[in-house]
Amino acid sequence: KAGVTQTPRYLIKTRGQQVTLSCSPISGHRSVSWYQQTPGQGLQFLFEYFSETQRNKGNFPGRFSGRQFSNSRSEMNVSTLELGDSALYLCASSMGSGAADTQYFGPGTRLTVL
Amino acid sequence: EDKVVQSPLSLVVHEGDTVTLNCSYEVTNFRSLLWYKQEKKAPTFLFMLTSSGIEKKSGRLSSILDKKELFSILNITATQTGDSAIYLCALGRNTGTASKLTFGTGTRLQVTL
Repeated sequence: KAGVTQTPRYLIKTRGQQVTLSCSPISGHRSVSWYQQTPGQGLQFLFEYFSETQRNKGNFPGRFSGRQFSNSRSEMNVSTLELGDSALYLCASSMGSGAADTQYFGPGTRLTVL
Repeated sequence: EDKVVQSPLSLVVHEGDTVTLNCSYEVTNFRSLLWYKQEKKAPTFLFMLTSSGIEKKSGRLSSILDKKELFSILNITATQTGDSAIYLCALGRNTGTASKLTFGTGTRLQVTL
């Protein structure tokens, strides 16, 4: 089975712009979770989507949003970018049956905000 | 709030050594504890632990969970340079059907020749 894929792999934006990241889960996986990884804060949970619905959300401002499509692919959007949004954004997919699931990670999108 | 603390923060060992990485946690409604290895980009899954005292093993790596004392350890025997990575511990909380992992800050392991 193909693994989790994320596009683009690298992105450079300037402050105030917006960005959309994409994640395609492992075939058959219905849950997609997004995480932000920075050197100072480590891996932090952004949100989780299952069956096109957000069912869990972390402590991030409303500038961070996402959606999921009927084929389970997910997108994450960050509006009005700030310097502090520079990070590695990882998505993870799982079957979606709950917290006993194993989440499998994609390679990440490295976002740099100038 | 859920809390995951990993120790040590970093470790340098010689090839062939055995290492033990620690993960302690505080959580309500514990469901699972997972270990991941992160080398360059994507964390790769190592183990999921849900029951106390049952060792999970894969080659030179093994892990065990103690739900009474709220910790887990990851052992790596006969370390190799390819084991150099950040090892992440993550907690899965039972929130019904929702999935959410809370990660520790990781242990950076460097294996030297």
